[in-house]
Amino acid sequence: AQTVTQSQPEMSVQEAETVTLSCTYDTSESNYYLFWYKQPPSRQMILVIRQEAYKQQNATENRFSVNFQKAAKSFSLKISDSQLGDTAMYFCAFMNTGNQFYFGTGTSLTVIP
Amino acid sequence: DAEITQSPRHKITETGRQVTLACHQTWNHNNMFWYRQDLGHGLRLIHYSYGVQDTNKGEVSDGYSVSRSNTEDLPLTLESAASSQTSVYFCASSDGRGDPQETQYFGPGTRLLVL
Repeated sequence: AQTVTQSQPEMSVQEAETVTLSCTYDTSESNYYLFWYKQPPSRQMILVIRQEAYKQQNATENRFSVNFQKAAKSFSLKISDSQLGDTAMYFCAFMNTGNQFYFGTGTSLTVIP
Repeated sequence: DAEITQSPRHKITETGRQVTLACHQTWNHNNMFWYRQDLGHGLRLIHYSYGVQDTNKGEVSDGYSVSRSNTEDLPLTLESAASSQTSVYFCASSDGRGDPQETQYFGPGTRLLVL
């Protein structure tokens, strides 16, 4: 069974600074996808970034980037130039070849003005 | 614009009652999923479907059922609501036709309180 671990329940960062959220996963599969979702107070789940396991290049989306270490089964999210609107719960998710998602327990990020 | 909607957004019911939560997507996605979100557990998969007439059990399927009679809808039924089923329920869908269409898109969620 796949498991996803987010070891940081809560984090905070000063506005305009950089923060990294960690995520590790466990799987025996070689082909899979990894995602970061953001859940603001509105509760809507919003896709932040995705990474295909077969791609060595780390995904980036504007201020968001990942550090994907396949051998270490690590998938961290870096948020640069943090903004107040980045305050949210962030969930790391793993998707197997059967299209099933497994989510971590989330990291609550607060951006401090 | 295509979207995924859930109704009702909030529901209060009593133990033992049957409850159905609706999920409707207009993307023509093959795959649809139901999750529940509880503090300390993240999102856990309840049931999922890869197409019309296809349904599968997820990690926490006991006490829940789904049916897929068309592409757009995957209603979730709580056969006999229990207080342990008080939660926030999310529906999601994905294209299912291969990379890069595997991303799941989520509905706004339904808050269910079972008294």
